[in-house]
Amino acid sequence: DQQVKQNSPSLSVQEGRISILNCDYTNSMFDYFLWYKKYPAEGPTFLISISSIKDKNEDGRFTVFLNKSAKHLSLHIVPSQPGDSAVYFCAASPNTGNQFYFGTGTSLTVIP
Amino acid sequence: NAGVTQTPKFRILKIGQSMTLQCTQDMNHNYMYWYRQDPGMGLKLIYYSVGAGITDKGEVPNGYNVSRSTTEDFPLRLELAAPSQTSVYFCASNNIEYSNQPQHFGDGTRLSIL
Repeated sequence: DQQVKQNSPSLSVQEGRISILNCDYTNSMFDYFLWYKKYPAEGPTFLISISSIKDKNEDGRFTVFLNKSAKHLSLHIVPSQPGDSAVYFCAASPNTGNQFYFGTGTSLTVIP
Repeated sequence: NAGVTQTPKFRILKIGQSMTLQCTQDMNHNYMYWYRQDPGMGLKLIYYSVGAGITDKGEVPNGYNVSRSTTEDFPLRLELAAPSQTSVYFCASNNIEYSNQPQHFGDGTRLSIL
């Protein structure tokens, strides 16, 4: 049973425009959420996180939004750059803290 | 800064063979994890460890064994390889002393069982 879902397998965006990646979860015990970026033949690398006590967290061009009532989070990349082309995974952890559940990933292509 | 190192990067096994995937980290992290990623799927947790001598099962532990004799090393053992274990395996680590912390991942081991 997939507790973290990314319903869009792929997304294409023009360079300079906004990329919006979405993620839904089902477990109300999740209280820590992360986005990872993955290039081919490499491991995932941490991008940005958000705790359930917040609804927004920014880091440069990357912003994560959390809507707890809808059990939904999104990652906004503004402006998108060709180097952002990668697979993005969202992940969530319950308040016990030691297990992470991953979505299936969204492959982002930024077109120059 | 090596971070999390996995060996080998690639391996082909025959059905019924055994092997150990190696993972070592140099960040003095207390938590370590093994995941598998099948095509089109997210990462699934196989086993994890909260410190030397302590391991626990994740979502998909069947067919695997782990040990954690040191803080740095967390090997994953396949005893009787089966085609269903063809996957990419990732090792990760983090420190959860006071609050949640993101995981650091190795570059993966691509394993094919024929």
